[in-house]
Amino acid sequence: GENVEQHPSTLSVQEGDSAVIKCTYSDSASNYFPWYKQELGKGPQLIIDIRSNVGEKKDQRIAVTLNKTAKHFSLHITETQPEDSAVYFCAASAGGADGLTFGKGTHLIIQP
Amino acid sequence: DVKVTQSSRYLVKRTGEKVFLECVQDMDHENMFWYRQDPGLGLRLIYFSYDVKMKEKGDIPEGYSVSREKKERFSLILESASTNQTSMYLCASLRGGGGSYEQYFGPGTRLTVT
Repeated sequence: GENVEQHPSTLSVQEGDSAVIKCTYSDSASNYFPWYKQELGKGPQLIIDIRSNVGEKKDQRIAVTLNKTAKHFSLHITETQPEDSAVYFCAASAGGADGLTFGKGTHLIIQP
Repeated sequence: DVKVTQSSRYLVKRTGEKVFLECVQDMDHENMFWYRQDPGLGLRLIYFSYDVKMKEKGDIPEGYSVSREKKERFSLILESASTNQTSMYLCASLRGGGGSYEQYFGPGTRLTVT
């Protein structure tokens, strides 16, 4: 089955700086790669996703890049703000309606 | 907005008890999922369902079963709870088709088995 590795497990950055979280996947059949943000006491919420026919996608301060050859994808957050502090999960799926295989999560801490 | 609700935020049960975790979504989604979340392990898929009375095993189905009698409701059942099933349980739903693969999550049920 699919295996998703996520690094780092904890990331601390100064407010205003950029943050990058990286994931690798093992199954070349995977074609859908979402990123979820989980705030304390809440369920995860989708913040951005990318499909295997696209190399990069941006949404305001958030961007995701995908390298299919190397089987890795990354989340980039620019101009970080206190409200970006949360746990972020990457995931992969070979079919959108199937369950997702998640990475272990990254605790992002924004230092004031 | 899509709303996914879970019957309890916190639950404490004894070893050997039968436990039901209920999940309801209000957006007529075809697909529903149960995950468990543990520190350092992320979210792991237990079971999912494409339609009423349909179910598929996820990555860690052992010790669990599910029931989907109505489209909006997906139940996770622990036939005989054990301490290693102490965890956060998250339910999610997905419309299916239409090009959107976004899963909408409920707030979670933190289950403690003593």
